[in-house]
Amino acid sequence: EIVLTQSPGTLSLFPGERAALSCRASQSVSSSFLAWFQHKPGQAPRVLIYGASRRASGIPDRFTGSGSGTDFTLTISRLELEDFAVYFCQQYGSSPWTFGQGTKVEIK
Amino acid sequence: EVQLVESGGGLVQPGRSLRLSCVASGFTFGDYAMHWVRQAPGKGLEWVSGISRNSGRIGYADSVQGRFTISRDNAKNSLYLQMNSLRAEDTALYYCAKDIYSDYDLLGYFDLWGRGTLVTVSS
Repeated sequence: EIVLTQSPGTLSLFPGERAALSCRASQSVSSSFLAWFQHKPGQAPRVLIYGASRRASGIPDRFTGSGSGTDFTLTISRLELEDFAVYFCQQYGSSPWTFGQGTKVEIK
Repeated sequence: EVQLVESGGGLVQPGRSLRLSCVASGFTFGDYAMHWVRQAPGKGLEWVSGISRNSGRIGYADSVQGRFTISRDNAKNSLYLQMNSLRAEDTALYYCAKDIYSDYDLLGYFDLWGRGTLVTVSS
């Protein structure tokens, strides 16, 4: 199975700063079938990005996904207070579906 | 409102059984494959099981194969997970998730999740 490794584990930033989150796969992700999710405590995870770079419906354009093969990045251009949360990636290019362990974006 | 709501979690002794439920609303449940995903304390997410829209195709993670059974009732907009022979390592928050496709093995991503239901396996 494909192992997804996210880094850093925690990102401490001020509102307004730029965040760059990494998701690295143990082998190439087929057709860039990689999604990013935002997860806040007690809430359902929300899809942000699919197909590595396609923004899901209703997602602000400050969220950008990029990458291919084994290296993917989620960039949040200017952090707003509502963006402080855990972010995880999911690959859906091969069975079984696998997930990264998450990156926590916290207020500095 | 488009949502998934899980229930049925709780504290259970090792070796016993538990049945989780997930009720969908706000979309045509019978058109989509559905999944269960879990997250053990301090660990990452793990896909547990998936089922196609008409229950024709089903899959399980190796860690639960032979112990867990996924099912659905489209008339009731409901997804289930029957968990038997529970182990301490099954302790986790269990999420219900909707696939973007109708067949689970088309390998879609999960575009709608519930908030989860907590299962604790302990004596």
